[in-house]
Amino acid sequence: GENVEQHPSTLSVQEGDSAVIKCTYSDSASNYFPWYKQELGKGPQLIIDIRSNVGEKKDQRIAVTLNKTAKHFSLHITETQPEDSAVYFCAASFSGTYKYIFGTGTRLKVLA
Amino acid sequence: DTAVSQTPKYLVTQMGNDKSIKCEQNLGHDTMYWYKQDSKKFLKIMFSYNNKELIINETVPNRFSPKSPDKAHLNLHINSLELGDSAVYFCASSQPGGGTEAFFGQGTRLTVV
Repeated sequence: GENVEQHPSTLSVQEGDSAVIKCTYSDSASNYFPWYKQELGKGPQLIIDIRSNVGEKKDQRIAVTLNKTAKHFSLHITETQPEDSAVYFCAASFSGTYKYIFGTGTRLKVLA
Repeated sequence: DTAVSQTPKYLVTQMGNDKSIKCEQNLGHDTMYWYKQDSKKFLKIMFSYNNKELIINETVPNRFSPKSPDKAHLNLHINSLELGDSAVYFCASSQPGGGTEAFFGQGTRLTVV
């Protein structure tokens, strides 16, 4: 069945260091890969997304890379700040599927 | 100007009771979803609706009955609540069919005692 694996489950970094979270998807039809940030007591919020016709996308300190052949995609956060501490989810979807398959989440802690 | 709003935010109830969660979106989206987030933070699709029609039911027990009176609203009614139903329930919406950004509500934390 459809599955998205996400690693690591927890990640602690020092403020200013980089953080990398990796995901692997199983459904070859997936062509849309969003990343969500969930802060305590709130709903997931999109921080960046990528489509399968693009290999990399960057938005200030956040970047996402996609390897379609290997079915891998990764989130890179540079110059981490304490406010980056949250749970991050990757997901996979495609138009017409009417769902998003989420990874199991990564709890990121940025230590000041 | 909340895009996806759910009520209530917290719900504490006894086993066996029936409860409802309401969701409304003002984004003009055709597709709406219910997701369940368990204690390990895993987000699992329960239902998806498109323009008031049920599209996906991910093997959810019959005690859960979604209802969409119009495409801006998707409510979730739960009968005979069980301890295992305790979780955070999220409503979300997107452009038709998925494959674009999904917007999530703030969640409803349901605790069954």
